Amino acid sequence: DVKVTQSSRYLVKRTGEKVFLECVQDMDHENMFWYRQDPGLGLRLIYFSYDVKMKEKGDIPEGYSVSREKKERFSLILESASTNQTSMYLCASSPRGLGNQPQHFGDGTRLSIL
Amino acid sequence: AQTVTQSQPEMSVQEAETVTLSCTYDTSESDYYLFWYKQPPSRQMILVIRQEAYKQQNATENRFSVNFQKAAKSFSLKISDSQLGDAAMYFCAYRTPRDNYGQNFVFGPGTRLSVLP
Repeated sequence: DVKVTQSSRYLVKRTGEKVFLECVQDMDHENMFWYRQDPGLGLRLIYFSYDVKMKEKGDIPEGYSVSREKKERFSLILESASTNQTSMYLCASSPRGLGNQPQHFGDGTRLSIL
Repeated sequence: AQTVTQSQPEMSVQEAETVTLSCTYDTSESDYYLFWYKQPPSRQMILVIRQEAYKQQNATENRFSVNFQKAAKSFSLKISDSQLGDAAMYFCAYRTPRDNYGQNFVFGPGTRLSVLP
């Protein structure tokens, strides 16, 4: 089974801090994604990566950056955390080019910015 | 841009009964894929069922089945013989195959399903 592991289930940080969320997948997937999940809004794509060192902005990239130095690892960075970034963050991965293949998700990180 | 709508924010069903969750989407594509995901409380989101738009036959996975109406752009999920473990948030998702890089997943807002004993 595909395993997507997010480094923290719960995280509390302070306004202005630089925050790192880590995600690792073990199935050699080319694509990796970071979503933000808020009630009533579903999942909104922050960034995705289709290869090492490659990244593309999603729907809500403002205030975030990402890093993919190795194929299995995709990091989300909050450059200067703000209270409106309090949310659930989901990482996902999928293989490239197979349209009916679903995304595989991690457990999520519930981030609170105080 | 594609959009996915789930008009029922919350639903409930009695254990052992059948429930249908609604999903509609908007697209100008003719070829695409549709998914239902389940997210139990404080647990990982997992795939429930998928449907290829070019297939006329509705997908079925054990107690889960879909009613795919391509012309109406409707993709509802039917859960038969509901169990307590079916209680979760359910997300409908759309993907176009045109982009091989896989970033074109669009999710609906979700429906929270409660199962009553």
